[in-house]
Amino acid sequence: DAKTTQPPSMDCAEGRAANLPCNHSTISGNEYVYWYRQIHSQGPQYIIHGLKNNETNEMASLIITEDRKSSTLILPHATLRDTAVYYCIVRPYSGAGSYQLTFGKGTKLSVIP
Amino acid sequence: EPEVTQTPSHQVTQMGQEVILRCVPISNHLYFYWYRQILGQKVEFLVSFYNNEISEKSEIFDDQFSVERPDGSNFTLKIRSTKLEDSAMYFCASSDPGQSMYGYTFGSGTRLTVV
Repeated sequence: DAKTTQPPSMDCAEGRAANLPCNHSTISGNEYVYWYRQIHSQGPQYIIHGLKNNETNEMASLIITEDRKSSTLILPHATLRDTAVYYCIVRPYSGAGSYQLTFGKGTKLSVIP
Repeated sequence: EPEVTQTPSHQVTQMGQEVILRCVPISNHLYFYWYRQILGQKVEFLVSFYNNEISEKSEIFDDQFSVERPDGSNFTLKIRSTKLEDSAMYFCASSDPGQSMYGYTFGSGTRLTVV
């Protein structure tokens, strides 16, 4: 799987947009970008994924650059409950089936009142 | 929203003892996983399970570990003879083959402390 690079930590003011970057310069054509987060010591939580188009769901938006070498997760209006470690993960998708996720160290996002 | 349920939330065991961690995956999911996270470290894949057999396992998942789906709802991880270094959070997860694009659902974890 392609390696990802994320800043170790970021701060964001409550109510503002949080923009979390991820570099994945060795990503292959069949690899998707996934974002998960882990609040305190809870289980990781799926946020969003994408291949090459920008994606939006009720939790976040994902912007993937045209060359697919980097992406940004956007939390449009961060709340204190968004304080968590955010993981950017790249994995190949080859149809339905089980697969393993390779977690890095992620970015610790602190939302500040 | 459907949840993956793990019990117990915290288990303390003596070194050398067997321990079983239990999980109830989401009912229509068919793929099951165990991950662990040693305190302060990354979340690590242990094993995936489908159709009553292991699909994939990591090098961490040695002969001391085993998984089982004893009935239609539970999924268990057994550690036969616990070591101090097995102390970690253990997360169970499940996924729906029809929705495997959309990621897993993880449980809240079992904190295992080996003393």
